Amino acid sequence: NAGVTQTPKFQVLKTGQSMTLQCAQDMNHNSMYWYRQDPGMGLRLIYYSASEGTTDKGEVPNGYNVSRLNKREFSLRLESAAPSQTSVYFCASSSTNVRSYNEQFFGPGTRLTVL
Amino acid sequence: DQQVKQNSPSLSVQEGRISILNCDYTNSMFDYFLWYKKYPAEGPTFLISISSIKDKNEDGRFTVFLNKSAKHLSLHIVPSQPGDSAVYFCAGGGAQKLVFGQGTRLTINP
Repeated sequence: NAGVTQTPKFQVLKTGQSMTLQCAQDMNHNSMYWYRQDPGMGLRLIYYSASEGTTDKGEVPNGYNVSRLNKREFSLRLESAAPSQTSVYFCASSSTNVRSYNEQFFGPGTRLTVL
Repeated sequence: DQQVKQNSPSLSVQEGRISILNCDYTNSMFDYFLWYKKYPAEGPTFLISISSIKDKNEDGRFTVFLNKSAKHLSLHIVPSQPGDSAVYFCAGGGAQKLVFGQGTRLTINP
């Protein structure tokens, strides 16, 4: 049982390049999330997908796009990377069981540097 | 507009003593609150939660207290152990989303 997996673990981009961060979960969760973590800022929600086929903006969506490919996979795309997007990116998933407190399970993160 | 705030970036506690981490929030609509623990180079892991209708939840060495009138919650760790050294995030939840605080780095000294 791998939980939430993310690829790649590390990436260095030049300004203007594009890339896609991949995330997959094997817990049969309905909801998936993308966060970024910056020093002193905590975890900020970029986009989320409450269920397969739906996506919604979070707190900091500008410069990103997402695709909920199927129930397992949720990808985050940077079309034209900027230095301000240098961050650690976390993917998470959760069950939408009304009994749960939306406990989100996190992947190990992708450390992205944009030069 | 920071809905969840952790005003102490760091906290240092002696092994065996109590660690108290604090969190303030502004959004009265949160249905529940969670604490997460994060080690370097790993993703956050869930620690403990509390419903907005409760004022206390306990799980082993970890207890979370909620004061709704003050919009304040705290995490107590007793006794503190070296493995508790990590960054702790509090989060408020509702409508399938979580809003996280900035985190507090806890260091347990031997």
